[in-house]
Amino acid sequence: AQSVAQPEDQVNVAEGNPLTVKCTYSVSGNPYLFWYVQYPNRGLQFLLKYITGDNLVKGSYGFEAEFNKSQTSFHLKKPSALVSDSALYFCAVRDIGNSGGGADGLTFGKGTHLIIQP
Amino acid sequence: NAGVTQTPKFQVLKTGQSMTLQCAQDMNHEYMSWYRQDPGMGLRLIHYSVGAGITDQGEVPNGYNVSRSTTEDFPLRLLSAAPSQTSVYFCASRSSPSSGNTIYFGEGSWLTVV
Repeated sequence: AQSVAQPEDQVNVAEGNPLTVKCTYSVSGNPYLFWYVQYPNRGLQFLLKYITGDNLVKGSYGFEAEFNKSQTSFHLKKPSALVSDSALYFCAVRDIGNSGGGADGLTFGKGTHLIIQP
Repeated sequence: NAGVTQTPKFQVLKTGQSMTLQCAQDMNHEYMSWYRQDPGMGLRLIHYSVGAGITDQGEVPNGYNVSRSTTEDFPLRLLSAAPSQTSVYFCASRSSPSSGNTIYFGEGSWLTVV
């Protein structure tokens, strides 16, 4: 079975400060890992993914995430937060060997509200 | 680039009514799915399809039907709407495994059942 945990329902950061949104995962094999962002009344937008290779993945809007296999984590980071980064962020995982779990095989976390204060 | 298109965006139904949420994708993706999003529960998979003519149940399929007569379209039918089906519904499609399984989502359909 595969699972994702986003331990924080909400993260508050002052504009200009670095931000981190936490994600830990559990898979039996090797993972594909994703971050999506959802703005109010909109669908989920793909931010970045880790498939293989460099543990530091760079994505859209200046976000990056670091894959840490020993800690089974894939935290989302940004060096300097913008008010426009305020949104709901979802981490998702797929076990590379998992062809089940639906058409996409992804398991999503419950989401973390990121609030950037001016 | 249309991507994944869902209609309607907003809908209010009375208990017991039926309706269909439409979903179309123009990326020639084989895999399509429907999720519902509820506060504090993330996304839960309702039904999915691995190709035209093939559908299967996800985590929360009760009260919903799907069909996949073409690669492009994957409608979701509510058979007899209940207040518990008040939710936001997202259609999604997936690229081929060789491109790392990125899922693309529609903009969502906000459904209220009264």
